[in-house]
Amino acid sequence: QKEVEQNSGPLSVPEGAIASLNCTYSDRVSQSFFWYRQYSGKSPELIMSIYSNGDKEDGRFTAQLNKASQYVSLLIRDSQPSDSATYLCAVRIGSSYKLIFGSGTRLLVRP
Amino acid sequence: KAGVTQTPRYLIKTRGQQVTLSCSPISGHRSVSWYQQTPGQGLQFLFEYFSETQRNKGNFPGRFSGRQFSNSRSEMNVSTLELGDSALYLCASSTGGDNQPQHFGDGTRLSIL
Repeated sequence: QKEVEQNSGPLSVPEGAIASLNCTYSDRVSQSFFWYRQYSGKSPELIMSIYSNGDKEDGRFTAQLNKASQYVSLLIRDSQPSDSATYLCAVRIGSSYKLIFGSGTRLLVRP
Repeated sequence: KAGVTQTPRYLIKTRGQQVTLSCSPISGHRSVSWYQQTPGQGLQFLFEYFSETQRNKGNFPGRFSGRQFSNSRSEMNVSTLELGDSALYLCASSTGGDNQPQHFGDGTRLSIL
């Protein structure tokens, strides 16, 4: 089992819809969770970080964390074509300072 | 505030050579992490340095090494290059504290011929 798993997609949604991206992780003691966006040919860009169970909202983005079920999700409201990218879930493993990344979910927002 | 700066942006080497990549973190950041990104393996953690000390290491062979200087700039060295080392090498910096997010540079694309 991979430490961080994501559906590779592509996830295709129409413009204006809500895109839901999911990530599961295997290490129960993980404390920090991050979502990055990566456009083709570019480096990852931090979108959200979340550390506590529940929801965290930032503009059109909402991160959700459920430590009991070991999953973290990212919702993108009012999706725009410019949101089309690969979304990477990253988990800080235990008390270490290394991030383990999922393989990413490719999101395609259709105009 | 300037972001993470990686040099060079592109490199072409041949098998057996060695290469050194450089990373200058965001001002005030003391932690630098290095990652290898390939289409098949995704983003894989190489190592992390904080205050000139390696705090964490990934599962890469000893040909991959790094160091950090007193000004927090970091270098990564790969010796005896193999074709499979062709990848995008990314550096990320953070303050180094618990729960602090990492911010990535633009990367160095290394091609091995």
